[in-house]
Amino acid sequence: DIQMTQSPSSLSASVGDRVTFTCQASQDIDTSLNWFQQQPGKAPKLLIFDASNLETGVPSRFSGSGSGTDFTFTISSLQPEDIATYYCQQYINLPLTFGGGTKVEI
Amino acid sequence: EVQLVESGGGVVQPGRSLRLSCTASGFSVGDYLMSWFRQAPGKGLEWVGFIRSEAYGGAIEYAASVKGRFTISRDDSKSIAFLQMNSLKTEDTAVYYCTREYDYWGQGALVTVSS
Repeated sequence: DIQMTQSPSSLSASVGDRVTFTCQASQDIDTSLNWFQQQPGKAPKLLIFDASNLETGVPSRFSGSGSGTDFTFTISSLQPEDIATYYCQQYINLPLTFGGGTKVEI
Repeated sequence: EVQLVESGGGVVQPGRSLRLSCTASGFSVGDYLMSWFRQAPGKGLEWVGFIRSEAYGGAIEYAASVKGRFTISRDDSKSIAFLQMNSLKTEDTAVYYCTREYDYWGQGALVTVSS
């Protein structure tokens, strides 16, 4: 199975800050990576697919980059509604696997 | 408008069975990859399994943790996907989500396995 490791597990930042966190795969996954946002008590929401493609309707302050084993997720200017846990997920191999999440707090 | 609504969750004793339904509107379940994910209380996300679209032969895959106990199916005429869960264990306690591809998720159904 492909292991996905996210860091940090949590972070605290201020409104307007640039926030960046990472996801590392245990083997090459090319760009077969999704990023999800899960707000408290809600279902996950797809933000980024294929490592760097913004899902329709998602604000442009969210972005993703990387390929192979190392990936980065960035919020260019943190907003109060961005408080959530963010998960990366690989889909190149079964079983589909997720990182442990990065919890973003203000 | 695309919408997914799960139903059938509840409290069940270990070893018993439960069937979740995922009723889709705005599209046909046979035209898309339909997946099930779960999230144990306070934990991260886990893939349970999926059924591929008719265009991909409707193949079904499962996570090792549920293989042989869970069965995924769908009724294209009613646009419903199902997750039949047998021989439930306490560690199956979770919110179960159905999804269309990865972009549409239901609201989740809580399954609690407890004696």
